[in-house]
Amino acid sequence: DAMVIQNPRYQVTQFGKPVTLSCSQTLNHNVMYWYQQKSSQAPKLLFHYYDKDFNNEADTPDNFQSRRPNTSFCFLDIRSPGLGDAAMYLCATSRMGGSGYEQYFGPGTRLTVT
Amino acid sequence: DQQVKQNSPSLSVQEGRISILNCDYTNSMFDYFLWYKKYPAEGPTFLISISSIKDKNEDGRFTVFLNKSAKHLSLHIVPSQPGDSAVYFCAASADTGNQFYFGTGTSLTVIP
Repeated sequence: DAMVIQNPRYQVTQFGKPVTLSCSQTLNHNVMYWYQQKSSQAPKLLFHYYDKDFNNEADTPDNFQSRRPNTSFCFLDIRSPGLGDAAMYLCATSRMGGSGYEQYFGPGTRLTVT
Repeated sequence: DQQVKQNSPSLSVQEGRISILNCDYTNSMFDYFLWYKKYPAEGPTFLISISSIKDKNEDGRFTVFLNKSAKHLSLHIVPSQPGDSAVYFCAASADTGNQFYFGTGTSLTVIP
């Protein structure tokens, strides 16, 4: 089945210790997104790639970086995690950008910062 | 600034009855609206969508209604089933960008 895969499902890191979350897709979609979701809040878009074009949301902290080495993979790097970065991180894909296309989500990675 | 709002954090409905979930938006540029369903420990899954050129879209037990003048959409589930118990997110996008904007979700509980 075509899908969006996120690894690991649960990640524990120490305060200030860099961490990388990964996402892969078998859908061959052009657009990949990273969202941060905290409890009882809306998923918050951090950035997205349209093909190789990187788009950063204005309020995404500099602490968050992303890489998309090829169509299938996208990584979220948190350079110095703080306690406030503990959240669910959702990866999503969309065949195209703009209206008319839905997103497909991975299961998420639950990040804990100790 | 929350551009998509779901003002009811939770909703309980008896099995077999209608569930109505509501969503409001502020950005008049939004022209595509989606509903997602999320079970615990899973990512959201796409449920149904509607373009701004329509005011209704139906898929089985699920119907989405769009009122552009009121900037309001709703999801109707008839009849509701216990398996529908989940968190429902409303989302919107504009053709001018690639972003999707999400509401905070409504937790639906269908009581057997």
